[in-house]
Parts: sequence; C-alpha cells; structure tokens
Amino acid sequence: DQQVKQNSPSLSVQEGRISILNCDYTNSMFDYFLWYKKYPAEGPTFLISISSIKDKNEDGRFTVFLNKSAKHLSLHIVPSQPGDSAVYFCAASDSAGGSYIPTFGRGTSLIVHP
Amino acid sequence: DSGVTQTPKHLITATGQRVTLRCSPRSGDLSVYWYQQSLDQGLQFLIHYYNGEERAKGNILERFSAQQFPDLHSELNLSSLELGDSALYFCASSVGLSGNYNEQFFGPGTRLTVL
Repeated sequence: DQQVKQNSPSLSVQEGRISILNCDYTNSMFDYFLWYKKYPAEGPTFLISISSIKDKNEDGRFTVFLNKSAKHLSLHIVPSQPGDSAVYFCAASDSAGGSYIPTFGRGTSLIVHP
Repeated sequence: DSGVTQTPKHLITATGQRVTLRCSPRSGDLSVYWYQQSLDQGLQFLIHYYNGEERAKGNILERFSAQQFPDLHSELNLSSLELGDSALYFCASSVGLSGNYNEQFFGPGTRLTVL
C-alpha cells in the first residue's frame, strides 16, 4: 500500500516553460513534506520542503504547494532548464507522531528539452 | 558531493552469498539511514542508527543486518542473497534525528547485482 504516490512516471517539458510535478499521499498524519532530486549515478539531493502549517514554500525557481484537504502537493519549476532533467522524489513524514523517517514516492522523471 | 561516501560502487555476486556495504556519514552527522531502491520502486527505508544505536527499522529482511561503529561509519550486511535483492542501496546521514529542518544527505549508492 503506497502511502505516497507519484502517478506520473515521466514528464517532458520545453525549456523556459513551467514544470509541475504532482504527489498524493494517503496518511493524514503526515505533517512534513520534502522533494528530492536525483541525477543518474548519484544519490538523491534535498531540494525543498514544506511543513503542514504552510501551504506554499518558495526557493528560487522552485515552489512547493500543499493542499492538505486534498492530500496533494506539487512542485513547480519556473522556468525549467535542461539541467533540471532528473528524477524527482516526493517524500512525507509524520514528525509529530514520532515517525520521522520519510516515506518516499516512486519518483517522476523530468526531461527538459532545449 | 554530499559528503557521504559509500563503498563499493558496484557489487556483483551470486545467490546464496553474503556481502557487506559500507557507509561513511558526513563529518559531524550522528544519524545513518539505509534505503533500498529496486527497479521502478521508490526508496524503501531499511534501518536507522543514531550514534551507534538502532533507532528505527523499516522493511528490512531478517537476512539483512546493520551496525554503526564508534567512528560512526555503518555497514549493511546482506546474507543468503536472492535474485530479488538486486537493487541500489543508499546510505544517508543527518545531524540528528531526521525530521523537520533536518534533511538527509544521501551517498551515491551501491549497485548490487545478484546473479
């Protein structure tokens, strides 16, 4: 039973356009959400996070939106660059409940075309 | 470079064998986590050590074990290997206990192939 779902295995976007990566979760106890980026032959790298007390967090070209009622979060990349081509993992944890280990989705492979 | 090192990068072995994967955390990090990533799967949490003590267990098989040594490096031991154990194994470290504002830093992974 996947508690964190990334339903799109891949996404293709033109350089300069917006990339939107989606993530759904089922566990209502999750209160901290993270996005990781992974290049081939490297480990995942932390990108951005959001606490459940917020509905938006922005860091440069990256913005994460959280919709708690829909149990949905999304990562927006604007503008997309070819160097953003990577696999993006969504993760969620229940820090208040003491289950601080994040649960990861299966990832979405983003390809940004020049 | 995350500062987390993992050895070896690649490992090819046969079914029934035993292997040891090694991880050195970032300088100053007390927590080490092990994850398994099989084909088309997300990162499956295996086990977490904090300052030498086991703190949390995930979907870790009984054939797998781990430890964290006084110098904080960690080893993941996989025994009686099966074909299905072929995967990428990642180690991650963090300063304290993972949670809010305490993200994990991942190593490059060890690719295990069981033939």
